Amino acid sequence: ETGVTQSPTHLIKTRGQQVTLRCSSQSGHNTVSWYQQALGQGPQFIFQYYREEENGRGNFPPRFSGLQFPNYSSELNVNALELDDSALYLCASSSTQGESTEAFFGQGTRLTVV
Amino acid sequence: AQSVTQLDSQVPVFEEAPVELRCNYSSSVSVYLFWYVQYPNQGLQLLLKYLSGSTLVESINGFEAEFNKSQTSFHLRKPSVHISDTAEYFCAVSVNGGATNKLIFGTGTLLAVQP
Repeated sequence: ETGVTQSPTHLIKTRGQQVTLRCSSQSGHNTVSWYQQALGQGPQFIFQYYREEENGRGNFPPRFSGLQFPNYSSELNVNALELDDSALYLCASSSTQGESTEAFFGQGTRLTVV
Repeated sequence: AQSVTQLDSQVPVFEEAPVELRCNYSSSVSVYLFWYVQYPNQGLQLLLKYLSGSTLVESINGFEAEFNKSQTSFHLRKPSVHISDTAEYFCAVSVNGGATNKLIFGTGTLLAVQP
């Protein structure tokens, strides 16, 4: 089975720009969650998507938005980038089928806002 | 609201010595508990998890953690560490439980194994 893959791995953007990060979930997984990990911090929950709909959101402003596609892949969009958006963005996929509650993480996208 | 506290930001230890990484959580409801490991410039890998049943859970590489409900703790231990165990370790709780879990992470503990 394929794991969770994220693209790009690194990205540099200018303040005020917009960015789109992508995530392919693990085969058979129907739920995708996004996390922001600032330097030296633990990951913070941004939001989760299940069956193409947002299924919970953390304490992030509306300029953070997302999509989930019929194949369960997902995008994270951030508008009007700020310097504090610089972080590692992690995608995690999981399944509502069976008893597994494990979230599988991708390698992350390192976003630098200058 | 649920929260996770990892009091030690960094734990230096010599190779082959035992180690304990502390994790305490706050929750008014039942939780699922996890330890994740993050190697430099990589994503998170699940180390072990407590869902129900035996309060002592083990990983394949010698780590173990014990769920203590009365002390709301889930400390991670290893009797003898290796250089390769050097990494950032995150404790996390699942807010809802079940497959659509939303994880709340602690701030992490850097395990620095010295020769």
